[in-house]
Order: sequence, then structure tokens, then C-alpha cells
Amino acid sequence: QSVLTQPPSASGTPGQRVTISCSGSTSNIGKNPVFWYQQFPGAAPKLLIYRSNQRPSGVPDRISGSKSDTSASLAISGLRSEDEADYYCAARDDRLGGPVFGGGTKLTVL
Amino acid sequence: EVQLVQSGAEVKKPGESLTISCQGSGNRFITNWIAWVRQMPGKGLEWMGMIFPDDSDTRYSPSFQGQVSMSVDKAISTAYLRWSSLKASDTAMYYCATLMGSSAWFDPWGQGTLVTVSS
Repeated sequence: QSVLTQPPSASGTPGQRVTISCSGSTSNIGKNPVFWYQQFPGAAPKLLIYRSNQRPSGVPDRISGSKSDTSASLAISGLRSEDEADYYCAARDDRLGGPVFGGGTKLTVL
Repeated sequence: EVQLVQSGAEVKKPGESLTISCQGSGNRFITNWIAWVRQMPGKGLEWMGMIFPDDSDTRYSPSFQGQVSMSVDKAISTAYLRWSSLKASDTAMYYCATLMGSSAWFDPWGQGTLVTVSS
């Protein structure tokens, strides 16, 4: 059971906007920034969002992150077939003394 | 920027020992934490621990303390993950990644090393 809670699946049609939630607690998301990772089958994860809402270079601006209290969200607008992947949230947990991940959300583009 | 290249896939028997490696390029290797992350088949990501190459300071996740050991040879910019006695439940993909400070900022990642433990 993961420390951070994500829905196991999400879906949308091309062009739609989808959001993926990530719920934590005061020892992790409540105190620390959230990071999001995208993972395609057979590939290593890739950083998608850092410090809750910042995009690394190369990540399109139709992808955004937000955080409020002990929860965070990843939003993908203008959904494309190439967005079909697994998405993981992560944050440092001050009680653990290290990072924790959500269980991952499989995004399907219908 | 640091790039991380991991050693190749391994097939081992229960009880055997194993060391996998993660070699970095770029002069930032020794001044950032190198983390190890496990992904069991069909499952999510789990932080195992991390090592700071410059002084070998090592921190383990409680879930992995005593199960694995981490080391580094900063002269060749290589971090290692070692098992002394493998179990079938160690079958997984293992990733190394640069971890920025006290955060969950993993970037970049190695390509992964698949470890299969089977009799």
C-alpha cells in the first residue's frame, strides 16, 4: 500500500482534459513539493512536473501540476494518444526521511 | 548534466549474491544523491535508499534496510546495489536515479536493470 494515494486508472478521449489526483498527509504533501513522473511500458520513468507546478524544458504547457494542502493534481489538456502512459506522484515524507510514491495511475486515451 | 547507465539484465538462483551497477557521466555525479528505485512486475515505484557519492553517506528506506547494501566508487562515478542472498521476491526492475537534495526530485534516471530470481 502506497503512502500517497492515486486512482489506479483514468481515461479520456482525444482533445479532452483529464486530471489525476494524488492524496497524502501533513508529513509529505502537506509540507513538501510534489513531483510527477510519466512512464511508458518498458521504459524508465521521466520527470514531468517538479516543485508541484514547474515543467522541465521539453514538457508541453498543456501539462500542469497543482497542490493544495495535502493533495496534488496533474492535469493534461488537449489529450493525445501519446499521453497514454502510467503517471506517478511523489513527495518527500518527513517521517520516513525520504521520498514516497503514489501507486500510479494508468491513463488510457479512448 | 549527469547521465546514468546501468548494468545489464541478470538471471540468478535463490540464495545467490548479486551486485548491479549504475555509472554516471558528468562532473555532477559526486555532488548529488544517487537513489535506487524498485519496480516489481506490474507494480509501482518504491524508493529503496540513496547514497551520496562524495562521502558515501547512505540512507535506506525502512522497507529495504538489511535487505540490500549500497556502495559507490567515486573514482569511476559508479554506484552499486548489492544482495547477499537473493529471494524470488527480489525479481524486479531496478532503477538508479539522481535525487536532488531532500526532495522527491529524481532526474535523470538510468535505463533500469531487470533482475530475475528463479530456481
